Amino acid sequence: NAGVTQTPKFRVLKTGQSMTLLCAQDMNHEYMYWYRQDPGMGLRLIHYSVGEGTTAKGEVPDGYNVSRLKKQNFLLGLESAAPSQTSVYFCATWWVEAFFGQGTRLTVV
Amino acid sequence: TQLLEQSPQFLSIQEGENLTVYCNSSSVFSSLQWYRQEPGEGPVLLVTVVTGGEVKKLKRLTFQFGDARKDSSLHITAAQPGDTGLYLCAMANTDKLIFGTGTRLQVFP
Repeated sequence: NAGVTQTPKFRVLKTGQSMTLLCAQDMNHEYMYWYRQDPGMGLRLIHYSVGEGTTAKGEVPDGYNVSRLKKQNFLLGLESAAPSQTSVYFCATWWVEAFFGQGTRLTVV
Repeated sequence: TQLLEQSPQFLSIQEGENLTVYCNSSSVFSSLQWYRQEPGEGPVLLVTVVTGGEVKKLKRLTFQFGDARKDSSLHITAAQPGDTGLYLCAMANTDKLIFGTGTRLQVFP
């Protein structure tokens, strides 16, 4: 039982490149979230989903897109990476409490 | 706009000292959760408080929910180095799970 798995764990991108972060869960939870965490700060909500086929914007959605084609997967895309998107990204599912992945450390140079 | 403000932002104390961390909002919480995050990991749930005025204890940690359900506090008695980490409050706002700005605690031996 893996819980919430994020891939990749680390990535370096050049400005303007694109990439997709994958979040996979085996807990059958409806609610899934993508956050970013900058040094010394809390978690800021990027996008979220309340079920398969649904997505919605969070606090800081600009520059990101998401898709939830299957209940167990929530994808976060960066179409044209910028240095301001350097951060640690966390995926979470939620049912009574939040369950987090291990995070993806992304650096944009 | 961050709905949940935590204070202090940083706290550095000696082992054995007591401390209190605060979480405040202009909105009324239906419930509030406290999480702890260790370096390189995702946050892990410590407690959920639901009722105004509620007090919950978890070993040396005491959590209190304000009577008006707009604030909460976390008190640690006789802090230990193992308490070091980032403490986050969180609330469910409709379908969004919003986290506070965080308090980074360092306990020195």
